[in-house]
Amino acid sequence: QVQLVQSGAEVKEPGASVKVSCTTSGYIFTTHDINWVRQATGQGLEWMGWMNPNTGKTGYAQKFQGRVTITGNTSISTVYMELRSLRSEDTAVYYCARPYFHGSGSYGFWGQGTLVTVSS
Amino acid sequence: ESVLTQSPGTLSLSPGERATLSCRASQSVRSDFLAWYQQKPGQAPRLLLYHTSHRATDIPDRFSGSGSGTDFTLTISRLEPEDFAVYYCQQYGSSPLFGQGTRLEIK
Repeated sequence: QVQLVQSGAEVKEPGASVKVSCTTSGYIFTTHDINWVRQATGQGLEWMGWMNPNTGKTGYAQKFQGRVTITGNTSISTVYMELRSLRSEDTAVYYCARPYFHGSGSYGFWGQGTLVTVSS
Repeated sequence: ESVLTQSPGTLSLSPGERATLSCRASQSVRSDFLAWYQQKPGQAPRLLLYHTSHRATDIPDRFSGSGSGTDFTLTISRLEPEDFAVYYCQQYGSSPLFGQGTRLEIK
């Protein structure tokens, strides 16, 4: 079965960077994009960006352009999301998500979420 | 930039009742690229419907979706206790976007 397993919770100081991993299994890694979505406590869902693991092509929400980088390692079926210049407003649960089927933009598979806390 | 507005913000109903949740886009949604998700506390979102009205695997048929263009609806025909949660609509395509959510609570 399809599984997305994320790295553990992080606590970072303002101005630092965080890198969250998403390790996939149960399907051919290069056949589906991976997206990143975040959710501040008690708030809604916010799409951050995506990566095509086959081509390495990425796309980012305008809000995060220049501050986020999504990369992948096909040998271990893992995608990474790095967010830089962290501020308190970046405190949130970060999810990776895979399309329901190839070419779909709806996310049928989600990681368990990674809590990133930004605090001095 | 498009905006998705969900209404109501909170919906209070009893088990067995019918729930109607709305999602309105500020710009027309291309090819009905509209999905609905359910989220319970401490859990990741769960895909309910994609392409406006297609149920994902194992989603009960009490969940249905309709709409086109800028107006979309999620209907839960008869509420079960496990349906009380937060629901999000999502527009997908070149720049995915989520609505702010509707909280469905027990009356």
